[in-house]
Amino acid sequence: KQEVTQIPAALSVPEGENLVLNCSFTDSAIYNLQWFRQDPGKGLTSLLLIQSSQREQTSGRLNASLDKSSGRSTLYIAASQPGDSATYLCAVEGTGNQFYFGTGTSLTVIP
Amino acid sequence: EAQVTQNPRYLITVTGKKLTVTCSQNMNHEYMSWYRQDPGLGLRQIYYSMNVEVTDKGDVPEGYKVSRKEKRNFPLILESPSPNQTSLYFCASSSYRVGYEQYFGPGTRLTVT
Repeated sequence: KQEVTQIPAALSVPEGENLVLNCSFTDSAIYNLQWFRQDPGKGLTSLLLIQSSQREQTSGRLNASLDKSSGRSTLYIAASQPGDSATYLCAVEGTGNQFYFGTGTSLTVIP
Repeated sequence: EAQVTQNPRYLITVTGKKLTVTCSQNMNHEYMSWYRQDPGLGLRQIYYSMNVEVTDKGDVPEGYKVSRKEKRNFPLILESPSPNQTSLYFCASSSYRVGYEQYFGPGTRLTVT
């Protein structure tokens, strides 16, 4: 069964800092990997989707990379802002079209 | 506006009283899914549907039922809710046309006493 792990569970950084969030998965047979943002008491907002054939995706200050063979993905956030404070979740789509989520990294950006 | 809607958003009920949480999407997506989110456990998939009349179990299907009679709707049914089903529930939809990028509803907070 696919296991998805996110480290660290919580992260606090000063405004303006560049940061990296990590996601690892145990089974490399995935179709895609998706990063989400979740604000307290809210739903999930899709940030980036990386297909299994891709190595990275970029959107604004966000860059996500995927290394299927090693079972890892990173989300890079440049020049962090207080509005980036949220929980960041990664999810992989495995065989059989099932999705598996990590437990998230709670990010706090201090003004 | 493209969206996934869920109703109700909040629900408090008692053990054993059947309930249905509705989910609807207006993006003509083939794939729909239900998740529950619990502290420390993350999101876990309950059921998913690849298309009309096609449903499959996810990781935690026990105590839940679903149906997919129309493409836009995917209701979650708890026939005899128990306190361990107290959770935050999310519906999501996606399509092969968007590489199975998932779009989530706002969530339903369910409390079973």
